[in-house]
Amino acid sequence: EVPLVESGGGLVQPGGSLRLSCTTSGFTLYNNWMHWVRQGPGKGLVWVSRVNSIDSVRHYADSVKGRFTISRDNAMNTLYLQLSSLTVEDTAVYYCVSGGYPAAFDVWGQGTTVTVS
Amino acid sequence: QSALTQPPSASGSPGQSVTISCTGTSSDVGGHNYVSWYQQHPGKAPKLMIYEVRKRPSGVPDRFSGSKSANTASLTVSGLQAEDEADYYCSSYADSDNFVFGTGTKVTVL
Repeated sequence: EVPLVESGGGLVQPGGSLRLSCTTSGFTLYNNWMHWVRQGPGKGLVWVSRVNSIDSVRHYADSVKGRFTISRDNAMNTLYLQLSSLTVEDTAVYYCVSGGYPAAFDVWGQGTTVTVS
Repeated sequence: QSALTQPPSASGSPGQSVTISCTGTSSDVGGHNYVSWYQQHPGKAPKLMIYEVRKRPSGVPDRFSGSKSANTASLTVSGLQAEDEADYYCSSYADSDNFVFGTGTKVTVL
């Protein structure tokens, strides 16, 4: 059983929008910080955004601030990432990640691919 | 936020040790004891190997160890095995409530 499953990736034109979803099973999304991390083709990992567990405060990398929005639906146990004003530099595999350990990324989804072209 | 600096590659023979450095600043690695390390095999999602500088999650072999001095953190893999061949990334919590990853190191088992 895969605890985190991302969906919603695809091909989008520059300037377009997309919404990524991450459904969880086996643990409660509400209890953990939840993050999105991305990895461009042949490139390294880049932290994108986080939503806190209790107060749902949100944080973003400077490169996506004002364009991406993270949100969570605790009742549905689902994490979202709304992507807008996309550029080719946003092309990447986007991972949904749980922060079960202090300031660390412990459970990763399999990733969903976003291609901006 | 600039990426943490890691060497592009490292290698060792089976049974040997390899150490990977991760250099940041006083705003990230040097200012917080929240350095973590990840192993990533080709086509797979990363796996947490070390958190809070030197702690190992359940199931991670004790061949993997972490340390930190000033603005530089290190991951040592002792008793190298073929399955340790992978990309390794460090990460640190940073000021402004952000996170930053390292540039990544490809470890080759000779």
